[in-house]
Formats: sequence, structure tokens, C-alpha cells
Amino acid sequence: QSALTQPPSASGSPGQSVTISCTGTSSDVGGYNFVSWYQHHPGKAPKLMIFKVSQRPSGVSNRFSGSKSGNTASLTVSGLQADDEADYYCLSYAGSNNPVVFGGGTKLTVL
Amino acid sequence: EAQLVESGGGFVKPGGSLRLSCAASGFTFRRAWMSWVRQAPGKGLEWVGRIRSQSAGGTTDYAAPVKGRISISRDDSKNTLYLQMNSLKSEDTGVYYCAHYGDAEYFQDWGQGTLVRVSS
Repeated sequence: QSALTQPPSASGSPGQSVTISCTGTSSDVGGYNFVSWYQHHPGKAPKLMIFKVSQRPSGVSNRFSGSKSGNTASLTVSGLQADDEADYYCLSYAGSNNPVVFGGGTKLTVL
Repeated sequence: EAQLVESGGGFVKPGGSLRLSCAASGFTFRRAWMSWVRQAPGKGLEWVGRIRSQSAGGTTDYAAPVKGRISISRDDSKNTLYLQMNSLKSEDTGVYYCAHYGDAEYFQDWGQGTLVRVSS
């Protein structure tokens, strides 16, 4: 069970946009439209930000958007705000024998 | 609003056992697929396992690193999810979260976690 590949860190200034990538294979990210993204502030419960590649749950700001091309999914955070500083994890379905694969996580810093 | 509250974490010696609980409210628990996810200190999130709703068979799936050492169960009458962990190792140390599946392969709601420390 190999983790999906995310950059360990990303950063941007307030108001800027930043994109976090999540690279897998045709057996996970590329094979299914079941990529989701989670925001995790240390010590708190992780929060669903994007599901099914690009859908946003009710209550999540439209500054967060998701996309996928081939074996790579992406999360874009636009109009960066201080509270966006957190760890972000992607997740993909990878088949019935290996249903959940997480990315290694990306620490987003708002400069 | 959905709420998940984990409990049962603590210190345990290598080789020991521990049972975690997750009390659910704010959604129809008996229809929910549920999962456990953990985070080792300084590491990322790692899926541990899941249990389907009774209507979907109530069956379980486990991640390779824990298969054979853990068991996930549920008591729908108590809206509670359980994680029984046996033969604990130091690498099992971490925060354990319970999570509620959405209508597809994603986690709609999470608890705040309970800390498990395996050390001699």
C-alpha cells in the first residue's frame, strides 16, 4: 500500500493562490473519480474540503477547488487567508482490496 | 450536525491490548459505513480499517500493517464504533480517529481523536 505523493510543503502570501498536487497511479487516482482532500489543523479533527475530485461540501469556502488530470489530482486554494495554514491530505480509492490510500500530507504555510 | 467522540486511548505496553470506542450522533449511525484512521507522531494520516453498515453485510476491511491484530465492530443500538487492538507494537503509537463515510469513498465527518501510546 504505497502512499500518494504530495509535496511536503507549500506556501503563499495572503491573497495569493497555491496549488497542492497529489500523484498516484492508474490503480488509484487515475483509475477512479474518488479523490478527496482534507484540511487538518494540529490537535483538531480533520475536515473534508473536496470530495469526488472537485465537489465541495456545504459550508466549505469556494476558495477551495479540486481537479484531476491523469494520475495527478490537485487542490487549489485561492485568496489565501491565515486560517488556511494547516496540513492538507489527499485520499483516493484504490480498489476493493485496498480501498483507502492517503497522500503523505502537505504543510501549507501562509507567509 | 454529526459528532464523533473517541475514547479509550492511553498507555499500554508492547504486546498489550486496548479497545477504543467512538460515540456517534447527528446522523443515522446504523446506515453508516465507518472507519478508523491513525496518525503516528510527526507522520501523516494512515487508514486502519472500516466496517460496512449491517444492511451492506457489516463486513470489515483492514490495512495490511494491522491485519490480524485489530478488529473493528459496531453496536448500532448504542451508536458506537469500536476498535480492538491486540499485540500492540511501538509503531502503533499515535492518534486514532474515527471517521464517517459519505455517499462514496470519502470521509464526511471525523472525531477529534484519542491518543494511544505503546511503550515499555
